[in-house]
Amino acid sequence: DTGVSQDPRHKITKRGQNVTFRCDPISEHNRLYWYRQTLGQGPEFLTYFQNEAQLEKSRLLSDRFSAERPKGSFSTLEIQRTEQGDSAMYLCASSGTGGTGDEQFFGPGTRLTVL
Amino acid sequence: GDSVTQMEGPVTLSEEAFLTINCTYTATGYPSLFWYVQYPGEGLQLLLKATKADDKGSNKGFEATYRKETTSFHLEKGSVQVSDSAVYFCALKGRGSTLGRLYFGRGTQLTVWP
Repeated sequence: DTGVSQDPRHKITKRGQNVTFRCDPISEHNRLYWYRQTLGQGPEFLTYFQNEAQLEKSRLLSDRFSAERPKGSFSTLEIQRTEQGDSAMYLCASSGTGGTGDEQFFGPGTRLTVL
Repeated sequence: GDSVTQMEGPVTLSEEAFLTINCTYTATGYPSLFWYVQYPGEGLQLLLKATKADDKGSNKGFEATYRKETTSFHLEKGSVQVSDSAVYFCALKGRGSTLGRLYFGRGTQLTVWP
């Protein structure tokens, strides 16, 4: 297993465009998380899935943001009508259940730049 | 609500110096506490964790002890190396309704000079 992967690694878009990011978690992990990290800050939680169910959403996740995990495996995060304030690193993490459920394993992130 | 306050950086040390990065938290109940590290150009990696009071997490020469009485989880290393240069994040995972989310501090940039 190669860990959590994210695609693309970098995305540059113009204000008003829609973008979609993909996350592939570690294969046996049923929990998946999205975070956003801006320069000089720690990651901020966006949303959390257990299998295909979205169980928690941050107030940071405005109506322009939507996340899915249709088959309980990979997940997508879509941002509609992007704004310059959306420029950030978007991180995906996954975890299992049981004794190691506390440990979240992070992907390399997708860096979004909105011009 | 739950939060983490982390010592601001940057921190610059010479090789073999002693390192402390302070972290305090606010949480209801008994959270799990973590230190994550981000090396240049890489993703976040779990460095160590502690899940209950007085637990000591350790890895790669780094240690941190969960102190409930002072709500702290300070990161220490007795002798840093150039390869320890990275950004270090303190984080907590609460109990109860916040099932999944981690709360992170702002991160502390560590630079170690030879």
